[in-house]
Amino acid sequence: AQKVTQAQTEISVVEKEDVTLDCVYETRDTTYYLFWYKQPPSGELVFLIRRNSFDEQNEISGRYSWNFQKSTSSFNFTITASQVVDSAVYFCALTALNAGNMLTFGGGTRLMVKP
Amino acid sequence: DADVTQTPRNRITKTGKRIMLECSQTKGHDRMYWYRQDPGLGLRLIYYSFDVKDINKGEISDGYSVSRQAQAKFSLSLESAIPNQTALYFCATSEPGASSYNEQFFGPGTRLTVL
Repeated sequence: AQKVTQAQTEISVVEKEDVTLDCVYETRDTTYYLFWYKQPPSGELVFLIRRNSFDEQNEISGRYSWNFQKSTSSFNFTITASQVVDSAVYFCALTALNAGNMLTFGGGTRLMVKP
Repeated sequence: DADVTQTPRNRITKTGKRIMLECSQTKGHDRMYWYRQDPGLGLRLIYYSFDVKDINKGEISDGYSVSRQAQAKFSLSLESAIPNQTALYFCATSEPGASSYNEQFFGPGTRLTVL
C-alpha cells in the first residue's frame, strides 16, 4: 500500500519569506515516482515536478526547489522569496511501478502568502 | 482548446437526484480516471479505465458508476446523490505504454454540491 503524508495543513507567510512544504511517503516498491502539483484558487491542478526513485539529485527551477531524500522518505518543496501568486494548495503525490499508474495524493498544504 | 474538458463545471443538485459528470479528451489517450477531492484528503481515485472495454474500481467507488462511451469520453454517474458526495471532481488521462509511468493530465474539475 502507498501513503503520502503532508503534515502541514496550512502555512501562512509574509511575502519574500522562504517556505518549505513537507512531504513524507510510504511505499514498498523500489521503483516509484513522486510529484508535486499546485492548485491555485481557480481550482485547476498544475503539474510542477516529477522525480523517480533512482534520481536523488535536488532540483531547482527558478524560485522553486525540491529536496528528495530516500533515507527519510521525504520529498520536500521549497519556495524562495515567496510571492502572493504562490498562494495555493500544494499536493504531493506518489505512484509505484506496481501501482498501475495510480496516483496516491497527500492531503495537501494550503499556502497563504500575505503582502 | 483544452485537451481534457469536463462538463458541467459547477452543479448544484438535491439529495436523491441522478447526476452525470462528463469528461472528454482530445489527447488520444487510452487511460482515463475519475478522482474526487475533499478538503484535507487530497484527491482519491473513484474509477479508472485503461481502454474502452476495461473499467476498474478505485479506492472509493461506492455510490458511483462510470461509462466509457468511446476512447475520448468517460462519464461518472451518481445514481442517487447524497450530501457527502459534495466535492470537487477531476477527470484525468494518460497514455499506456511500456514505461513505468506516464504523466496524468487533469481536466479543470467539476464542483458538485448536493443539498
